[in-house]
Amino acid sequence: DIQMTQSPSTLSASVGDRVTITCRASQSISSWLAWYQQKPGKAPKLLIYKASSLESGVPSRFSGSGSGTEFTLTISSLQPDDFATYYCQHQETFGQGTKVEIK
Amino acid sequence: QVQLQESGPGLVKPSQTLSLTCTVSGGSISSGSYYWSWIRQPAGKGLEWIGRIYTSGSTNYNPSLKSRVTISVDTSKNQFSLKLSSVTAADTAVYYCARGTGSSWYWWFDPWGQGTLVTVSS
Repeated sequence: DIQMTQSPSTLSASVGDRVTITCRASQSISSWLAWYQQKPGKAPKLLIYKASSLESGVPSRFSGSGSGTEFTLTISSLQPDDFATYYCQHQETFGQGTKVEIK
Repeated sequence: QVQLQESGPGLVKPSQTLSLTCTVSGGSISSGSYYWSWIRQPAGKGLEWIGRIYTSGSTNYNPSLKSRVTISVDTSKNQFSLKLSSVTAADTAVYYCARGTGSSWYWWFDPWGQGTLVTVSS
């Protein structure tokens, strides 16, 4: 089975910061990766699919990149609404999540 | 747009069967090439995929749960369902239904239901 490992587990940042979250696959998965945002008490929300395709309606400050085994989710300028937990996903496997906290 | 809504008992006794239904609105569960999926999340933990059913009726399950899981679809009601047998406290979680889009070997989940908390306790 392919394992998905996110880093860091927790990230402290301020409004306006550029934030990068990494997701590593245990073997090559081409560009087949999705990213989700989850806020407390809410269902995950799709942000990015196929590693870099922005889901309709998602702000352009979110971007995804990478291929093979290493992927990144970048928030270009962190906004108050972005403090949440982020998950990567490939097929049936999710990363363990990265919580973005207020610094 | 398509919306999903989970329903079912919020409390299940140990050793019994957990049964949940996901109602799809805003579109037909039979149209398109989608994978109707169940995902769960224990409190404070990450997401665990349970399984999925394709519009053709074929199913795939998480190997760690396969012996206890059944997912079925009722196209007349635009619903799909989850049954998880022999539950224990470890099955306590928020259960989400979601639509999988993509192909048989790569997919992403969108949209999701709001989730329903199922507690296993006597």
